[in-house]
Amino acid sequence: AAGVIQSPRHLIKEKRETATLKCYPIPRHDTVYWYQQGPGQDPQFLISFYEKMQSDKGSIPDRFSAQQFSDYHSELNMSSLELGDSALYFCASSQTQGGYEQYFGPGTRLTVT
Amino acid sequence: LAKTTQPISMDSYEGQEVNITCSHNNIATNDYITWYQQFPSQGPRFIIQGYKTKVTNEVASLFIPADRKSSTLSLPRVSLSDTAVYYCLVGDNTGTASKLTFGTGTRLQVTL
Repeated sequence: AAGVIQSPRHLIKEKRETATLKCYPIPRHDTVYWYQQGPGQDPQFLISFYEKMQSDKGSIPDRFSAQQFSDYHSELNMSSLELGDSALYFCASSQTQGGYEQYFGPGTRLTVT
Repeated sequence: LAKTTQPISMDSYEGQEVNITCSHNNIATNDYITWYQQFPSQGPRFIIQGYKTKVTNEVASLFIPADRKSSTLSLPRVSLSDTAVYYCLVGDNTGTASKLTFGTGTRLQVTL
């Protein structure tokens, strides 16, 4: 079965640089979520999109922005990177009103040096 | 969002049944109970979801008493590969784009 695809899987950036993470949801899933998981921490919700519109926003820094495109893939743009942004970034997708049954991708490990 | 409380860690031997209990005293009428499993450096994986009584699938069972103030995830005959963190989430997930709010999960360690 098709799963959520994230790219790149690993990314190394320097402070103050920018990064773009991509997420391709499971086919026919119209809702995308982004989560951040720091070392030794629990996943934290960042932002979600339903039918290409932002539907909810969590603890996402102003330096981060995201969007969902017409083909339902999503991109998380991160600027002015800080050391504290080093984390695993997960994308998840669900069907309309799929509620808490979300399917997570393998994650992108971002390291900021 | 109902606050949840679950044990920080549990140990088990391979082949045993493991029961992880989650307390959610402030659960609301529309709230569902959902459990996720996460292996190190992997995305969380949906295990099971329920509203009341008992739900069973090929992976686990979920027991919810009548007052719904707690729930128990039951993993039958665990193996080493069940070593993971298990999260209990409670909330109204009937709308669109229901964000998951992860609390401190239960770290299950299975040994021989």
